[in-house]
Amino acid sequence: DGGITQSPKYLFRKEGQNVTLSCEQNLNHDAMYWYRQDPGQGLRLIYYSQIVNDFQKGDIAEGYSVSREKKESFPLTVTSAQKNPTAFYLCASSTGRRNGNTIYFGEGSWLTVV
Amino acid sequence: KQEVTQIPAALSVPEGENLVLNCSFTDSAIYNLQWFRQDPGKGLTSLLLIQSSQREQTSGRLNASLDKSSGRSTLYIAASQPGDSATYLCAVNSGRGSTLGRLYFGRGTQLTVWP
Repeated sequence: DGGITQSPKYLFRKEGQNVTLSCEQNLNHDAMYWYRQDPGQGLRLIYYSQIVNDFQKGDIAEGYSVSREKKESFPLTVTSAQKNPTAFYLCASSTGRRNGNTIYFGEGSWLTVV
Repeated sequence: KQEVTQIPAALSVPEGENLVLNCSFTDSAIYNLQWFRQDPGKGLTSLLLIQSSQREQTSGRLNASLDKSSGRSTLYIAASQPGDSATYLCAVNSGRGSTLGRLYFGRGTQLTVWP
């Protein structure tokens, strides 16, 4: 099936640790995104990438890092510098074209700091 | 910066009612607007996408309209069913000085349809 796969679904992080969330898509999409969702809040953009080996900061990039070495993959690392990382993280992808730019989302990853 | 507001924040109705969910945005320079559905603890599912040149889109019992000049969109759900219970999110793809594909989201309307 075509789609976006995020893993793990649930992740617990100790204080001071870096953790990496995986996102893989087989939709042949050029653009990929990471969003953060907090309870009762809208989605906020962390990072996005429109092409391999290129990515841009979103609105809340501090404490996060990404890479885009392959078209299919866009992993997100939550570093120890992110002071409040407990949230629901959503990965998404789109064709990146101006018209018909429907965006597709993965099932999300829950990150909890313990 | 683009700001998106959704009203109401929550809505509870009996099965069979016709519903209207509202979305407003501050900057009318948009490429398109999308409506999404989110079930608890899940990702988002795209329902309808309206290009900036379009006035409305329909899919089954769903109809979304767009009035770009006034910065408003509505999602109309006909003959609501308990399976429609979810959070509905509106997102605009802003066209003023922003990178293609960057969406701004509202906080959503939490809909409950009871039998």
